[in-house]
Amino acid sequence: AQSVTQLDSQVPVFEEAPVELRCNYSSSVSVYLFWYVQYPNQGLQLLLKYLSGSTLVKGINGFEAEFNKSQTSFHLRKPSVHISDTAEYFCAVSETSAGGFKTIFGAGTRLFVKA
Amino acid sequence: GAGVSQSPSNKVTEKGKDVELRCDPISGHTALYWYRQSLGQGLEFLIYFQGNSAPDKSGLPSDRFSAERTGGSVSTLTIQRTQQEDSAVYLCASSSSGEGYNEQFFGPGTRLTVL
Repeated sequence: AQSVTQLDSQVPVFEEAPVELRCNYSSSVSVYLFWYVQYPNQGLQLLLKYLSGSTLVKGINGFEAEFNKSQTSFHLRKPSVHISDTAEYFCAVSETSAGGFKTIFGAGTRLFVKA
Repeated sequence: GAGVSQSPSNKVTEKGKDVELRCDPISGHTALYWYRQSLGQGLEFLIYFQGNSAPDKSGLPSDRFSAERTGGSVSTLTIQRTQQEDSAVYLCASSSSGEGYNEQFFGPGTRLTVL
């Protein structure tokens, strides 16, 4: 069975500093990997996804993530954060289940950007 | 509609009552997912519908929970004999197909409070 671990529940960071949100997964088969973002009082939206090919994936708002198969990680990074990046970030893994695919989400990491 | 809609947006009920939560997916989307979001616990997978296939109910926490999807479109999540631990935000998402690489589009959620 697959699982997703987001190693930090909260990450406080100053504006314009770099940030990395960590995600590790466990799965015995090939997976698709996602990062979703939930801004305050809004629904979840896709930030980026890894399907195949280049292990470095670029998403919206200057975020990127790197797939590392040997470490089963998919960490999210941004070189310089803004106040508007304050949100909750969810890592997700999609794996084949009976009849289709099931997506498992991590517990989320709350990014808090301070001025 | 332009996006996934859910109703009601808020529901307050008394312990022991039954509740029904509704989800209208994006038109044409064949896959529909229900999740539960509890404070500090991330998104918990509940159930997944894909086309005419039998739903994946593996995430339903007890037999008090059930869901149906009529005509391949609207879905209703029913919780019978609600308990206080059922209090959470219930999220619905849809995607264009059941393939695991597809983005899920989320609704705004229904906040359920069981008194």
